[in-house]
Amino acid sequence: EADIYQTPRYLVIGTGKKITLECSQTMGHDKMYWYQQDPGMELHLIHYSYGVNSTEKGDLSSESTVSRIRTEHFPLTLESARPSHTSQYLCASWTWGGEQFFGPGTRLTVL
Amino acid sequence: GENVEQHPSTLSVQEGDSAVIKCTYSDSASNYFPWYKQELGKRPQLIIDIRSNVGEKKDQRIAVTLNKTAKHFSLHITETQPEDSAVYFCAARKAAGNKLTFGGGTRVLVKP
Repeated sequence: EADIYQTPRYLVIGTGKKITLECSQTMGHDKMYWYQQDPGMELHLIHYSYGVNSTEKGDLSSESTVSRIRTEHFPLTLESARPSHTSQYLCASWTWGGEQFFGPGTRLTVL
Repeated sequence: GENVEQHPSTLSVQEGDSAVIKCTYSDSASNYFPWYKQELGKRPQLIIDIRSNVGEKKDQRIAVTLNKTAKHFSLHITETQPEDSAVYFCAARKAAGNKLTFGGGTRVLVKP
């Protein structure tokens, strides 16, 4: 089924650990996005990509990095997690008609 | 860059009444305006969108209106039901733009 998949859905991790949040979509969409959102609060764009080998920083400064080696895959990495990184991370992609759809999100807690 | 302001931040309505959320945008080049609904613990879901060549669009109990001159657009929910309780986000995008600019969200509570 065509959708956006994110793993893990929930992650509790200690300070200083390196983590990678996975995002994949099976629809062949070129444009993909990462947002950070505290529950029910504003959506903050942290990274986006126009296609393979293209990555851009978003509006919110973030200590995370992203890569886009394959069209369907857009992972986000935190080299050293901190409690301030505790949040929900939402991946999204654009349809060919320009509509944006979100993945289910990863809820991250850093102790 | 584009700036989108959304009001009110919270809205409480009695079941069966109407709810209206308003957004203003700053960039006159914006031409696409989607609305998302986010239920508790869920992802934002696209519920309706409007493009700048249209002034109004309706889908069952929800409708969106756009005033390009004033640079504002609104979401109207009629005959509200408890399942309409959620956070609603408006957004705007420029023609040939590559990202959406979101409003700050409106928390809607429908009281039975």
